[in-house]
This record gives sequence, C-alpha cells and structure tokens, in this order.
Amino acid sequence: GQQVMQIPQYQHVQEGEDFTTYCNSSTTLSNIQWYKQRPGGHPVFLIQLVKSGEVKKQKRLTFQFGEAKKNSSLHITATQTTDVGTYFCAADDSGGYQKVTFGIGTKLQVIP
Amino acid sequence: DVKVTQSSRYLVKRTGEKVFLECVQDMDHENMFWYRQDPGLGLRLIYFSYDVKMKEKGDIPEGYSVSREKKERFSLILESASTNQTSMYLCASSLSRRGWAMGYTFGSGTRLTVV
Repeated sequence: GQQVMQIPQYQHVQEGEDFTTYCNSSTTLSNIQWYKQRPGGHPVFLIQLVKSGEVKKQKRLTFQFGEAKKNSSLHITATQTTDVGTYFCAADDSGGYQKVTFGIGTKLQVIP
Repeated sequence: DVKVTQSSRYLVKRTGEKVFLECVQDMDHENMFWYRQDPGLGLRLIYFSYDVKMKEKGDIPEGYSVSREKKERFSLILESASTNQTSMYLCASSLSRRGWAMGYTFGSGTRLTVV
C-alpha cells in the first residue's frame, strides 16, 4: 500500500526558533493533508494541499506541496509553547477509496 | 459543538470478552474510519466504510469487525479481546468528494485496556 515517510520523528526547539517537518512519498499524490494532535488530544485537521507547488499560510504556519506532488512540508516560524504536539501529514494517492495514509508524525517539544 | 462522538473515553475489558466501540457523527459524512494509535507506530487503519452497510478492510483488520447500519454510526467490534489490542482507538469521518479524500474529523478517542 501507499507509504509516506515523515521526518524527523522528534524535534526539540527553543521557544522562538523555527521548526520544519517533511513528508515524502514514492508515488505522485492527489493531495496531502496536515493534522495536529495536542498531548492527550486527538488529531485535528489543519489544511489540505491539492495543486502542484501550492503554498498556504495559517498565521505562523506555512504549508508547501512539491512541484512533483511527492513531498510536502510544514514550517512554523518563531515557535511558541502552544505549538507543542505531534504533526501528521496524510497522503491521498487517489487509489480509488477516499482514505489517506498517515505519516508517523513529528513530535514537537518547545522549550520555554 | 461536538461532531464525532465516541461512546467511552476509557474502557477496561478482560481477555476473551467481546468489545463494542461506538462512534456517532452528526455531520452527515459518507465516510467513516477506525484507527488505532500506538506509540512509535502512528495511526493505523483498521476498517473504513464509505456508505451504509459497506465496509472495507484497512491495514490491520485481524481480530476486528465493523458494523454500519446507519449513516451516522460506525461500530468497531473486538470479537475476543486480547492484550495486544490494548490501544487508543480513534474514529474519524469525512465528506465524500469525487476525485480526492477530504479532511477527517476525529473523535476524542477511546483508550482501551485489555487485562
């Protein structure tokens, strides 16, 4: 089945530093989604990228979809303690069913 | 404002018991999913359903079954619970759209412990 690699698995940053997580697929994707899971919580949908080369922003978060639609990144500028959590990418390879394959997630810890 | 409701937040069951996990969504979504989440393994798909009475196996269906008799309700059944089924179980739903998968709405999860 669809495989999606997400790196790094863990990241510790000082508050105010930037953070980036990357997602890579061996196949071309129909779209990619990003989720955030706070400690003790459930994943919450953040955004969906559909077009080749697409860039979307949500305040300090910048999401990119690669030109070949095989990779994506989430960048957080000037992290805050409220950014703590696990960030998941979820890849849709349009294999016929409307389901996605989740990456392993990147657990972000922000040190005050 | 709750949209996907899972019946229990915490559950403790004995080995060999039949366990029912219930999930209800109020958004009229066609697609519903059951995942389990374990440390270091991420989110693994157990079963999903894209319509009433329809079901498809996910990546780890062994030891589980599902039921979708109504559009809003998707039940996960552990036929004979075992200790290796101790996990966090997450239900999700999404709208059906031609061409690609839409974003999921997750429930709060059920932490199941099998003793």
